[in-house]
Amino acid sequence: DIQMTQSPSTVSASVGDSVTITCRASQSIVSWLAWYQQKPGKAPKLLIYHGSILESGVSSRFSGSGSGTEFTLTIRSLQPDDFATYYCQQYDDYRSFGQGTKVEIK
Amino acid sequence: QLQLQESGPGLVRPSQTLSLTCTVSGGSVNSTVYYWNWVRQHPGKGLEWIGYIFHSGSTYYNPSLESRVAISKDTSNNQFSLNLNSVTAADTAVYYCASAENLYFRYWGQGSLVTVSS
Repeated sequence: DIQMTQSPSTVSASVGDSVTITCRASQSIVSWLAWYQQKPGKAPKLLIYHGSILESGVSSRFSGSGSGTEFTLTIRSLQPDDFATYYCQQYDDYRSFGQGTKVEIK
Repeated sequence: QLQLQESGPGLVRPSQTLSLTCTVSGGSVNSTVYYWNWVRQHPGKGLEWIGYIFHSGSTYYNPSLESRVAISKDTSNNQFSLNLNSVTAADTAVYYCASAENLYFRYWGQGSLVTVSS
């Protein structure tokens, strides 16, 4: 099984800040990685796939990078609507998610 | 645009079988484009992929659940279903159906909370 580890578990930030979340895979997943945003009581929303491709309709303030085993999600100029939990997901071998990173208001 | 909607009992007794259905609109469960998935989320926890069914009927399951899971589809009603047997309290979760075109999940249902309790 491919294990996905996100860091940090929680990040406190203010509106206007930039935030970077890291996702590490236990083995190479090439670029087979997606990022999701989830708000309480809602289904996850796809943000990025193939490591760095922005889903249609998603703000360009979100960006993804990385390959192999290390990936990052960066959110520039945080907006109030961005405070949520973010998950990475690999789809190289079966599917598995990171444990999530909560972006909270400082 | 695809829309997915879960339905099924909100309460299941321990050792029984959890059964949920996902009704698809805006697309066909026979489409060669989509994989039809189930994902669950334990209360206050992260996401866990359960498995998927493809248009051909082929299924793939999370190895950790494979012995208890079955996913099937009903072409006539444009639905796919999840059966999870021998449930315990550890199976209490919000269950989502989700479609994947390229192995990542673009469309999700709103989620269905299933509680396992006597």
